[in-house]
Amino acid sequence: GAVVSQHPSWVICKSGTSVKIECRSLDFQATTMFWYRQFPKQSLMLMATSNEGSKATYEQGVEKDKFLINHASLTLSTLTVTSAHPEDSSFYICSARFRDYNQPQHFGDGTRLSIL
Amino acid sequence: AQTVTQSQPEMSVQEAETVTLSCTYDTSESDYYLFWYKQPPSRQMILVIRQEAYKQQNATENRFSVNFQKAAKSFSLKISDSQLGDAAMYFCAYRTQNSGNTPLVFGKGTRLSVIA
Repeated sequence: GAVVSQHPSWVICKSGTSVKIECRSLDFQATTMFWYRQFPKQSLMLMATSNEGSKATYEQGVEKDKFLINHASLTLSTLTVTSAHPEDSSFYICSARFRDYNQPQHFGDGTRLSIL
Repeated sequence: AQTVTQSQPEMSVQEAETVTLSCTYDTSESDYYLFWYKQPPSRQMILVIRQEAYKQQNATENRFSVNFQKAAKSFSLKISDSQLGDAAMYFCAYRTQNSGNTPLVFGKGTRLSVIA
């Protein structure tokens, strides 16, 4: 079946550094990708939606200059957390779907980000 | 905007017994999809079951079945013959059918414990 690969699965870095998370669709063309953030024991919170070749649409309250999303190809989207601080520590999950509205939404395994 | 409500933050069930998780949603649309996702401690998002709103027949997947009441905007999940591996967070989710780039809207989740 369709698979979405998310990398890295866990990253620890110092405050002030930038961290890039990759999300790849392995066997289908992901015309739309979604990025979610999840705090412990909470639900998934949508951060942004990106369509291939277009700028991402960010949800209210999400800083687009802090969370840079690139969706340059039909198989790859990246989320870069710029100048990360401890409050950015969280679990980030990507999800991808082909353009057909009937297609399911496939999830990556998530990235645990810890900022020291 | 659509909203999804899960009124049971936590539930528990004895192994081999049956448990029902509740979900209600609010929408003005007539065409949409409803989903139940399972998130075990690994935090991987696993699709449990999916229901198309235009289908009157309730979806079933082995031990998992739903009770879809469109007029009442209710979508409960029944787990039969509960197993230890069913212990997880369960999220109810909604998605419009009208567009390929609309995200899933999640409820806050229900944490299910299975007692041996």
